[in-house]
Amino acid sequence: GAVVSQHPSRVICKSGTSVKIECRSLDFQATTMFWYRQFPKQSLMLMATSNEGSKATYEQGVEKDKFLINHASLTLSTLTVTSAHPEDSSFYICSAPQPGPTDTQYFGPGTRLTVL
Amino acid sequence: QKEVEQNSGPLSVPEGAIASLNCTYSDRGSQSFFWYRQYSGKSPELIMSIYSNGDKEDGRFTAQLNKASQYVSLLIRDSQPSDSATYLCAVRNSGGSNYKLTFGKGTLLTVNP
Repeated sequence: GAVVSQHPSRVICKSGTSVKIECRSLDFQATTMFWYRQFPKQSLMLMATSNEGSKATYEQGVEKDKFLINHASLTLSTLTVTSAHPEDSSFYICSAPQPGPTDTQYFGPGTRLTVL
Repeated sequence: QKEVEQNSGPLSVPEGAIASLNCTYSDRGSQSFFWYRQYSGKSPELIMSIYSNGDKEDGRFTAQLNKASQYVSLLIRDSQPSDSATYLCAVRNSGGSNYKLTFGKGTLLTVNP
């Protein structure tokens, strides 16, 4: 299947700092990418849709000023958690659909964020 | 609101048995259906996709789709302990955002040696 990478895989930061997470599609171009968050033992929660060349679309209840998304190119989307707080500690996962007849969505390996 | 429901689980089966995972969806216009496997602490990985009514087999996995009943299932034959994971059903809804998937809450499967 297609490959989607994320960086970093794990980050620990102090409360109040900002953290940037990168998501890359390695072998295909992605005009759309998705950002999810998953708390322990809970289901995936879609945060936003990242659109290359236009603004991201946020799901209800997700603060766009707190979770900044930039789709800089056809292979890169970034999520910046601004002024992170302990309640932002979670597993952040991106995904990208591989263009084609099936539009199958592939997930990155995830980034575990711990805010102290 | 478009919903995807999975049997709540957890599901426990002995090694070598058939594990049956079920999913129903509310959007009758949905066309694409996916099963993902998620190990604890890892991100989801694609197991199967299915688009037409009937069965689709891939190794020990069989996906079944019945659009009239709005039902999709995943059968795992000869279950192995390594199959122990949470299985997520995902549906690509009709209309709306490109490629956006709606996920079920997942079914935790444990295969006992």
